[in-house]
Amino acid sequence: QKEVEQNSGPLSVPEGAIASLNCTYSDRGSQSFFWYRQYSGKSPELIMFIYSNGDKEDGRFTAQLNKASQYVSLLIRDSQPSDSATYLCAGARGGSNYKLTFGKGTLLTVNP
Amino acid sequence: EPEVTQTPSHQVTQMGQEVILRCVPISNHLYFYWYRQILGQKVEFLVSFYNNEISEKSEIFDDQFSVERPDGSNFTLKIRSTKLEDSAMYFCASSEGLGQSPYEQYFGPGTRLTVT
Repeated sequence: QKEVEQNSGPLSVPEGAIASLNCTYSDRGSQSFFWYRQYSGKSPELIMFIYSNGDKEDGRFTAQLNKASQYVSLLIRDSQPSDSATYLCAGARGGSNYKLTFGKGTLLTVNP
Repeated sequence: EPEVTQTPSHQVTQMGQEVILRCVPISNHLYFYWYRQILGQKVEFLVSFYNNEISEKSEIFDDQFSVERPDGSNFTLKIRSTKLEDSAMYFCASSEGLGQSPYEQYFGPGTRLTVT
């Protein structure tokens, strides 16, 4: 069974702090990784994707991928109360269908 | 900004009845997907669809499920005889499949299916 594992949290950070969300995966065939944000009762919203080892920055978000360690992370700088949500990590093998395998998600709470 | 749309937002049905969930993917996207999320659980892949045929399906997607692209815009998921355990949020997603952003999947708002 190919799994994506996340700490379910909750992770609580004060407003303005850096939130660090982590994810590990068991499928060495996974080539691309995605971070989605999901507010309660809503659909997943794509935040970032990363295909190559190293860091990728987009505004307040930085995704990090280490394929040797099978580890993906998301850093959120200057966290805002509106960032409070469940963050889903997903991996895809690529190929013709790119199906996503999701982790259970980490609940992030940003306290004002 | 283009988005995936889904109808209805909420569907209540009795066990054994057929339901059809509808999706309109983003217009230039080539790959279409259905996922489901049972309350409190992870998002699970059901099926992917490309070039008018299923490209992959999960073990959840048994003979009770089918997908169709009846015209150039709609993408449907049919459950022939619903069970209580089919109660979940069903999400449609689509991706370009080529160009600068081939793999990123964008999700619709979901249809909450309640089977009684």
